[in-house]
Amino acid sequence: DAGVIQSPRHEVTEMGQEVTLRCKPISGHDYLFWYRQTMMRGLELLIYFNNNVPIDDSGMPEDRFSAKMPNASFSTLKIQPSEPRDSAVYFCASTQQGSRDEQYFGPGTRLTVT
Amino acid sequence: QKEVEQNSGPLSVPEGAIASLNCTYSDRGSQSFFWYRQYSGKSPELIMFIYSNGDKEDGRFTAQLNKASQYVSLLIRDSQPSDSATYLCAVKGAGNNRKLIWGLGTSLAVNP
Repeated sequence: DAGVIQSPRHEVTEMGQEVTLRCKPISGHDYLFWYRQTMMRGLELLIYFNNNVPIDDSGMPEDRFSAKMPNASFSTLKIQPSEPRDSAVYFCASTQQGSRDEQYFGPGTRLTVT
Repeated sequence: QKEVEQNSGPLSVPEGAIASLNCTYSDRGSQSFFWYRQYSGKSPELIMFIYSNGDKEDGRFTAQLNKASQYVSLLIRDSQPSDSATYLCAVKGAGNNRKLIWGLGTSLAVNP
């Protein structure tokens, strides 16, 4: 079975541009999580969805960040406008209702904002 | 503020030795505990989870949970150079929230 899929794997953009990151969770998983990882702050949860509905977005840093999940197999994280401090690796993870909440991660998107 | 604490390391052990990684957590109501391995430039990979007090073994890995003392540990027996990575501890709190609280990770180096 395919794992969590993310695209693009690398993104380099200039400050002020819009960035869209994409994620496809594992088929049958009904929870989807967006994380950001930096050396200084480690792994930070940004937002998570259950059955396509945002449940907790308390980790979204500011209004420049938005996330959507239009269907069970696709989610986006958008940054507009991007800033150099947004440079990080962004991971998507998924898990399944009834499990022990173990999360499975995608390969990540390395974002560099210059 | 719910927290998960890990020594950042690096923890250095010789090949064939036992590596011991520790994690403490602040939320006494925490329910499930996870160990992930992350190689440089890669995504976190689930190694083990544990939710009952005591030991859980899987191959060379043993997770130990002590809820009274609020710590969870990971032992790696017969350490191999391929075990060199950062090990992340994650904890699920009480209630229905599916959030995991993450430690910053411990860097492990296994020397041939």
